[in-house]
Amino acid sequence: AQKVTQAQTEISVVEKEDVTLDCVYETRDTTYYLFWYKQPPSGELVFLIRRNSFDEQNEISGRYSWNFQKSTSSFNFTITASQVVDSAVYFCAPTGGSYIPTFGRGTSLIVHP
Amino acid sequence: DAGITQSPRHKVTETGTPVTLRCHQTENHRYMYWYRQDPGHGLRLIHYSYGVKDTDKGEVSDGYSVSRSKTEDFLLTLESATSSQTSVYFCAISESTTVTHGYTFGSGTRLTVV
Repeated sequence: AQKVTQAQTEISVVEKEDVTLDCVYETRDTTYYLFWYKQPPSGELVFLIRRNSFDEQNEISGRYSWNFQKSTSSFNFTITASQVVDSAVYFCAPTGGSYIPTFGRGTSLIVHP
Repeated sequence: DAGITQSPRHKVTETGTPVTLRCHQTENHRYMYWYRQDPGHGLRLIHYSYGVKDTDKGEVSDGYSVSRSKTEDFLLTLESATSSQTSVYFCAISESTTVTHGYTFGSGTRLTVV
């Protein structure tokens, strides 16, 4: 079974700061996917990104970027120039051979104006 | 975007009573999932379905049962609710195991067992 560690329980930043959310995963499977989800204060879960284990290229989408390092089993998420609307709980979720995500405990990001 | 709806949105029930939560989808997706979310635990998988009448257990399935008699509906039943089952329950759907576009989650059901 896979395991995921989001060691940062809560991060507090001031608007326009850059912030990185860490995700370390463990899996015995050679083929797997990695997800990040956002849960704003309203409670819904929003899909952000999916990567597969064969694609280690970093991804950038606007102010969001993801750094996948297979050698260190990390899939970190960086928000550049944070905004108040980025305040949310962020979940990292690796899959294993069953392709069903195992969610981390989440990192609560608070962006102050 | 009402591709997936959960009902009820909120429910308060007494210990020992049966409770059924409903997840309804209009996307014709094959896979459906029930998760519970508790502080400090993230989301944990309860049960999932990979087709009509095909279901399997997740990591926290004790005390829960599920049924899927139609593609669009996935029911979660607490046979005899306990206070430890107070939680927010999320249903999710996906078109395939490769989950190219991620899971789509419902809005959640907040269940309180008193």
